[in-house]
Amino acid sequence: AQSVTQPDIHITVSEGASLELRCNYSYGATPYLFWYVQSPGQGLQLLLKYFSGDTLVQGIKGFEAEFKRSQSSFNLRKPSVHWSDAAEYFCAVRFSSGSARQLTFGSGTQLTVLP
Amino acid sequence: ETGVTQTPRHLVMGMTNKKSLKCEQHLGHNAMYWYKQSAKKPLELMFVYNFKEQTENNSVPSRFSPECPNSSHLFLHLHTLQPEDSALYLCASSPQTELAGAVGEQYFGPGTRLTVT
Repeated sequence: AQSVTQPDIHITVSEGASLELRCNYSYGATPYLFWYVQSPGQGLQLLLKYFSGDTLVQGIKGFEAEFKRSQSSFNLRKPSVHWSDAAEYFCAVRFSSGSARQLTFGSGTQLTVLP
Repeated sequence: ETGVTQTPRHLVMGMTNKKSLKCEQHLGHNAMYWYKQSAKKPLELMFVYNFKEQTENNSVPSRFSPECPNSSHLFLHLHTLQPEDSALYLCASSPQTELAGAVGEQYFGPGTRLTVT
């Protein structure tokens, strides 16, 4: 079955520390991959996307993500976290079969940033 | 205005009321979506519209009735809701055709926080 997993429900880091949020998917082919961020009371904002080419993609706000086919992963990283990065982060996957426009979302990782 | 807008941002309604949520996108997209986001639960896709036609209804109760009069506007009509329907309702849009760089990413509005009393 096609699925998306974010193993970490909640992560706490200190401001200035590096960050890695994990995302794994279960699918036989390479899907389209996305990371979104949601601040409290707001909608989801697209951080970055991957669909082909270079497996390291750059996004907004200094975020990057690396697609690793062998691990079926698409982890989000940031070298130095800012207090404004505190939010919930969602990995999303678009599988090539099934409804063409549907995204499947992970359950989210809540990021807390300590001063 | 740009992007995806939703009104109202907050709504409190009784179980016997009828209300509507409105979504408008200014991105020229042809696909629009309604999602429900409840606390401690994954995002739930409710409805999908492509070129004004409903293409997906994920077993949503009939007390939720969507309407898409054109590619830029999407409504969610609500009637006789239950307290468990209290949630953040998110609207999103996406390009329909896979142009270069358009690979199905969705753009979200800020949501309507609905409380059913």
